[in-house]
Amino acid sequence: QKEVEQDPGPLSVPEGAIVSLNCTYSNSAFQYFMWYRQYSRKGPELLMYTYSSGNKEDGRFTAQVDKSSKYISLFIRDSQPSDSATYLCAMRKDSGGGADGLTFGKGTHLIIQP
Amino acid sequence: DAGVTQSPTHLIKTRGQHVTLRCSPISGHKSVSWYQQVLGQGPQFIFQYYEKEERGRGNFPDRFSARQFPNYSSELNVNALLLGDSALYLCASSFLGRHEQYFGPGTRLTVT
Repeated sequence: QKEVEQDPGPLSVPEGAIVSLNCTYSNSAFQYFMWYRQYSRKGPELLMYTYSSGNKEDGRFTAQVDKSSKYISLFIRDSQPSDSATYLCAMRKDSGGGADGLTFGKGTHLIIQP
Repeated sequence: DAGVTQSPTHLIKTRGQHVTLRCSPISGHKSVSWYQQVLGQGPQFIFQYYEKEERGRGNFPDRFSARQFPNYSSELNVNALLLGDSALYLCASSFLGRHEQYFGPGTRLTVT
């Protein structure tokens, strides 16, 4: 079992719909959570960063963390064709001062149909 | 402000050769990390450096090495290239003590 599971999709929705993207993880040492957007053949772009259970909102994006269920979500409201990309969840362990890198899911390929 | 920059953008090497990839972090960021992303997968952590020392290492063979310079820029070196090393190599920078990382555009390495 991989440490971070993410459905690779593709997920296709009509323009204007609310999009829900999810990841599950198995290691309770993960304490810090990020969502990145990656366009084809480009580097990942940081969208959201959270470290506590609950919701965090930024514009059309809402990140949700449920540490008890080891489940994180990203919601996109009023989706636009320009949101079409691969969305990667990433997380980091609380390693007590050590330097673990980010652990990523496989990414979900999202397509917004005009 | 300039983001993370990487060079070259793309290169092609032959099996057995070695390669050096370069990264300049965002101004003020002192920590640099390297990741390998193969097609269809998420990035995998290779190294983290700050204060010019290796602070963390992922599950990669000793053919992979890196260093950080006094200006916080970094190099990733890969020796004895294998076909399986073909990937997008990503550099990320962050403030010390912060967990969120900012990525560069990557270097696409093709090994033939």
